[in-house]
Amino acid sequence: AQRVTQPEKLLSVFKGAPVELKCNYSYSGSPELFWYVQYSRQRLQLLLRHISRESIKGFTADLNKGETSFHLKKPFAQEEDSAMYYCALYNRYAGKSTFGDGTTLTVKP
Amino acid sequence: EAQVTQNPRYLITVTGKKLTVTCSQNMNHEYMSWYRQDPGLGLRQIYYSMNVEVTDKGDVPEGYKVSRKEKRNFPLILESPSPNQTSLYFCASSQYGTGGLEQYFGPGTRLTVT
Repeated sequence: AQRVTQPEKLLSVFKGAPVELKCNYSYSGSPELFWYVQYSRQRLQLLLRHISRESIKGFTADLNKGETSFHLKKPFAQEEDSAMYYCALYNRYAGKSTFGDGTTLTVKP
Repeated sequence: EAQVTQNPRYLITVTGKKLTVTCSQNMNHEYMSWYRQDPGLGLRQIYYSMNVEVTDKGDVPEGYKVSRKEKRNFPLILESPSPNQTSLYFCASSQYGTGGLEQYFGPGTRLTVT
């Protein structure tokens, strides 16, 4: 069974501080992992995908297969980063998507 | 404009009264999915469809039905709603590409069952 764990429900940092949102997964195959973000009163939207290894809004995420992790990082948090962040795993063979429970990030001024 | 739409956006109903939440996408996506979002439980997949006439159960399918008769629409049906189905529901669609399965989400439907 596939599983995604986000151990922190709430995370609070000060503006300019580094931030790391943790994501661990359980999946027997080769995972496809994503980070989605939901700003207040907005719909979920894709932030990052591990396949493209991109940096969006200063965020990066590296897939670590040995530790089965896909942590989201940003060196200098901004107030506009305050949102709910979801880590997600897609099983392309079964078509099933699994999301973590989400982490609410608050960036304080 | 490329988008996923859901209707209604808000619904209050009573236990046992059948309801349908519609979902439509205009991006010609093959993959569509329904999720429910509950506090502390994150997003849980209810049903998904990889193409027309192909649907599969997600993690929490009990009490729900879906159909995929045409590519653009993927309605969620609650035959006999119960209070534990009070939740925020999201529909999503995607087209598998080189970037993986990026899902586009609808605005959400807030359902209250009394």
